[in-house]
Amino acid sequence: QVRLQESGPGLVKPSETLSLTCTVSGGSITSYFWSWIRQPPGKGLEWIGYIYSSGSTNYNPSLKSRITISVDTSKNQFSLKLSSVTAADTAVYYCAREKVRDGYNFGVFDIWGQGTKVTVSS
Amino acid sequence: QSALTQPASVSGSPGQSITISCTGIASDVGGYNYVSWYQQHPGKAPKVMIYDVRKRPSGVSNRFSGSKSGKTASLTISGLQAEDEADYYCSSYTASNVVFGGGTKLTVL
Repeated sequence: QVRLQESGPGLVKPSETLSLTCTVSGGSITSYFWSWIRQPPGKGLEWIGYIYSSGSTNYNPSLKSRITISVDTSKNQFSLKLSSVTAADTAVYYCAREKVRDGYNFGVFDIWGQGTKVTVSS
Repeated sequence: QSALTQPASVSGSPGQSITISCTGIASDVGGYNYVSWYQQHPGKAPKVMIYDVRKRPSGVSNRFSGSKSGKTASLTISGLQAEDEADYYCSSYTASNVVFGGGTKLTVL
């Protein structure tokens, strides 16, 4: 079955760029929407943004100016870059697949990675 | 966009039923029948339990059910079991993004 695995540094310095990659195994990355979602310690979930396998993206308006999500279909991977990080960006970051109906997505995340903890600290 | 409003905690005894509410606005919960519910055990990734307000993914117990009235969606868990103790999050599709609720901690007494 399809599995997702996040990877990247667990510690990032303030003002630097957080970079994470999600590797998709057991299935193809094509024809799906792929999202990043984060969860600060002890808090709720926050949707960061998604990318379709074709490369089209949609970002959370509150984070849009700092986010870049990209896809590499040849490696079955997609990536997140979050710039100018602060302590408020400390969180567990999840990658997730979005359920597709008739070519459209409606915010249903049916497969999740295990999550990776990222701490922003000097 | 503000998070959807959920109660911080609910509790129930084994065998009982509980309901968790999720209140939004006209442009999210009130405007679309695309509300989902996720269960999250400590240290684990969320798992979708309900989508499109009331649909259950394959493998999810029929003890879990969803509904919606106006700007408020609800998750009902019947026949509570110890394994249901977890955090529950609602989410809603909007025209431009996805918004989550703040989460509800379910305690099985």
